[in-house]
Amino acid sequence: DIVMTQTPLSSPVTLGQPASISCKSSQSLVHSDGNTYLNWLQQRPGQPPRLLIYQISNRFSGVPDRFSGSGAGTDFTLTISRVEAEDVGVYYCLQATEFPRTFGQGTKVEIK
Amino acid sequence: EVQLLDSGGGLVQPGGSLRLSCAASGFIFSDYAMTWVRQAPGRGLEWVSTITGSGDRTFYADSVKGRFTISRDSFKGTLYLQMNSLRAEDTAVYYCAKDYPIAAVKFRGDALFDFWGQGTLVTVSS
Repeated sequence: DIVMTQTPLSSPVTLGQPASISCKSSQSLVHSDGNTYLNWLQQRPGQPPRLLIYQISNRFSGVPDRFSGSGAGTDFTLTISRVEAEDVGVYYCLQATEFPRTFGQGTKVEIK
Repeated sequence: EVQLLDSGGGLVQPGGSLRLSCAASGFIFSDYAMTWVRQAPGRGLEWVSTITGSGDRTFYADSVKGRFTISRDSFKGTLYLQMNSLRAEDTAVYYCAKDYPIAAVKFRGDALFDFWGQGTLVTVSS
């Protein structure tokens, strides 16, 4: 199974400041079709997960442009350029390149 | 508008059974694999099972293999999860999610896991 390791697990940030979350996979996430199925999800308290970023760096419809994704192979990063109050929640990386699908442990973003 | 409506959760005794449903609308149901993901109280997300768009292949987490069965009814646009021999550790909110497209529509470039249900709570306790 592909293990997804996120750091940090907790990220206290000041409003308006940037935040960055790392996700490392135990093996390459490049699919045989050439795509890399690495997603970032946001889960606000009491809500279901919501897709933010797919295939490393594509923002999903309706996602603010302060969210961006980068990386390749086994190392990936989610960046929030300027954190807003509504960004509080837990962020997960997810690999959908192969089965079983696996998630990172989650990173809790909170306001200082 | 894509909608996924999870239902069927509840309180069940250890060893009991429950069937979850996920009613899909707003997209061509048979064009996409569908997945169940669960989240135990205070814990992270855990993949449970996936079924292909045609329903001819299924995949399961080791923790549920042999006890859970995923299925779909394309006429009704509904995904199911039959859960048998339930254990306390199966207690979680269960979410359905839209997964990968069939080969014929892959050109659309749809995101995987772009839509999720609101979740249904399963509590296994005596």
